[in-house]
Amino acid sequence: DAKTTQPPSMDCAEGRAANLPCNHSTISGNEYVYWYRQIHSQGPQYIIHGLKNNETNEMASLIITEDRKSSTLILPHATLRDTAVYYCIVRPAPNDYKLSFGAGTTVTVRA
Amino acid sequence: GAGVSQSPSNKVTEKGKDVELRCDPISGHTALYWYRQSLGQGLEFLIYFQGNSAPDKSGLPSDRFSAERTGGSVSTLTIQRTQQEDSAVYLCASSSLDRAAYGYTFGSGTRLTVV
Repeated sequence: DAKTTQPPSMDCAEGRAANLPCNHSTISGNEYVYWYRQIHSQGPQYIIHGLKNNETNEMASLIITEDRKSSTLILPHATLRDTAVYYCIVRPAPNDYKLSFGAGTTVTVRA
Repeated sequence: GAGVSQSPSNKVTEKGKDVELRCDPISGHTALYWYRQSLGQGLEFLIYFQGNSAPDKSGLPSDRFSAERTGGSVSTLTIQRTQQEDSAVYLCASSSLDRAAYGYTFGSGTRLTVV
C-alpha cells in the first residue's frame, strides 16, 4: 500500500480555513485517498474520500492533484471542535478493511 | 443502537490475567472490525468479521488474542495471559457492506492498562 506523509502539527485560527496537506507519491491508479479524524478520547471519524476528482461534503473538501501524488483536506471554517488528529490514508479499494493509520497531523484550532 | 458501543470504557488488569472486551455494532451492520491503538501510535488492524464468512484474523498479534462474533452482532475480543505490551486502546468499528466505501463508524474504544 502507498505510504502517506503529513506534517506532525499545525495551528489554525477559528473561523479561518484549515488546509491540511498529504503526500502520497507512490499511490497507484486504483488507490483511494481517505481522510479520518480523531478527537481526543474518541474513535476515528470518517471525513471524506476521493479517487481522482475533487470532492466536497458537509464536513470538508478534498483537493487531489492531477498526478495524484498529493492531496489537501480543507476545513472551510474551522471551529474549536475541529481540534483533532487528522489522518490521510491511501486505501487499495473502497471495501478494503485493513486501514493503516500513521501518526497524522495534530490540528489545533485557536480562538 | 445509534452508534457502536464498546464496554468497558476502561479496564485495568494485572499481568497474566485474561480480559474480555465487548463491541455492540450498529444494528444491521454486517461488517465488524477490531483495531488497537497504542499510545501515540496509529491504528493497527486486528480482525475482521463479515456476515457468516470466516473472519480474517491476520492482524492478531499472537495466539493469546482471539475474537468471536455471535449471531452476527455482538463481538468479544479476548486477550489471555495479558502482558504489559497489550496496554492500548482497543477500537471496534462496523459498517454495512454497501456503505463500506464511506468509511466505518468507530466506537469510543476500551482503554486497557496492564499493570
